[in-house]
Parts: sequence; C-alpha cells; structure tokens
Amino acid sequence: GENVEQHPSTLSVQEGDSAVIKCTYSDSASNYFPWYKQELGKRPQLIIDIRSNVGEKKDQRIAVTLNKTAKHFSLHITETQPEDSAVYFCAAILQNTGFQKLVFGTGTRLLVSP
Amino acid sequence: DAMVIQNPRYQVTQFGKPVTLSCSQTLNHNVMYWYQQKSSQAPKLLFHYYDKDFNNEADTPDNFQSRRPNTSFCFLDIRSPGLGDAAMYLCATSWGTSEYTQYFGPGTRLTVL
Repeated sequence: GENVEQHPSTLSVQEGDSAVIKCTYSDSASNYFPWYKQELGKRPQLIIDIRSNVGEKKDQRIAVTLNKTAKHFSLHITETQPEDSAVYFCAAILQNTGFQKLVFGTGTRLLVSP
Repeated sequence: DAMVIQNPRYQVTQFGKPVTLSCSQTLNHNVMYWYQQKSSQAPKLLFHYYDKDFNNEADTPDNFQSRRPNTSFCFLDIRSPGLGDAAMYLCATSWGTSEYTQYFGPGTRLTVL
C-alpha cells in the first residue's frame, strides 16, 4: 500500500545544533522526494527535493540524503536558527491506479530554542 | 508575483450550506490539486485535474466536487458542509503528476458553524 512514515513527530534542538528528520516509503518505484516546510497558518513551501538518480543534495544549511535500497530518505538541517521552527513534511511520489501522486509523511514539528 | 492564489482566505459557512472555494494560477501548469489539511496533520489529497481530466481519490466523500473551467481556475464545491469538513483547503499546481514540484497556494480556512 501507499505509505510514507516520518520520524520523529517532534524535535527540539538548541540554536546552532543540527536536526535530522527521517522518512521511509513503501513503493520501490518512487522516484521523487520533496521536503516541505509549513509555518503556522501558512502554506507548505518546498525547501529541497531529491530525485532517485542522486543520493544526496545540499542547499546551504539544508541537505537531503536518499537510500533507495533501504527506501529511506532524510533531511539534515545544520546550524539551526529559531526561524527554522516549523512543521516539516517529507513526501514521496507513489504509484496509484492510473497516475502518480504525492503522499506526505505525518510531519515533524521542529522547535529551535535560542 | 503570486503564482497560486486562493480566495477567500477565510470562509465561514453554516452547517449544510453549500460553499465554493476558488483557486487560480499564473504558472500555466497542467495539473491542479485540492488538498484538505486538518490541524497538525499532513495534507490529504481530495482530487486533481490533469488538464480537463478529473481524478478523484477513492476516499473523497461525494460531498466534495470540483470544477476546472479553464487552465487558470479550479473550484472546490462542498455541497453540504458538516462540522467535520472544517479544515484548511490547499490548492496546488504542477506541470505533471510524476517528479514535478507542486506549488501550494496560501489556503482557505473553512469554518463550519
């Protein structure tokens, strides 16, 4: 079945620490894995994504790694800042009957304390 | 420079009173999606249009319908809102349904009294 699991559900870190959020997916045919950041009352915003032909992608303080064999991918945020506090959703494109759809993980609430 | 626009941002309706939410896009994307997001949960796909082709999720209640009169606009109609339909409704667009980025609108928060 279509499933994306995400851990942890909440994560509290001190400013300057690193944060890691992990996701696993069920469909071995999945080939696209975006990460969205959602601040309270706002839209989900894409922060980074990775496609199945690469194992790692980095954008300044944010990086994503993908292990296709193990069917898991992770978000790494270094030198966290209070403005990183938000809910983060991983997602994976999963095959559905007739089309591919984006399935979201359950979300991780990240709190960065000054 | 807004790319995906949703109106209204806040909508209050009465139990059972039909309501329509609007989404428009300036990206000329082929696909438009409607998601329902309840507090502290992930967005849940209701349905999407690929051009004029409508695709409904199997567990989307019949109470929810959608229209896409042209490339730029898509509407979500809730025929008889119940208290359980109170949520944030997010519209998103993308070029295609595979490894294409989905861009979300700001959402419409629906309250049902």
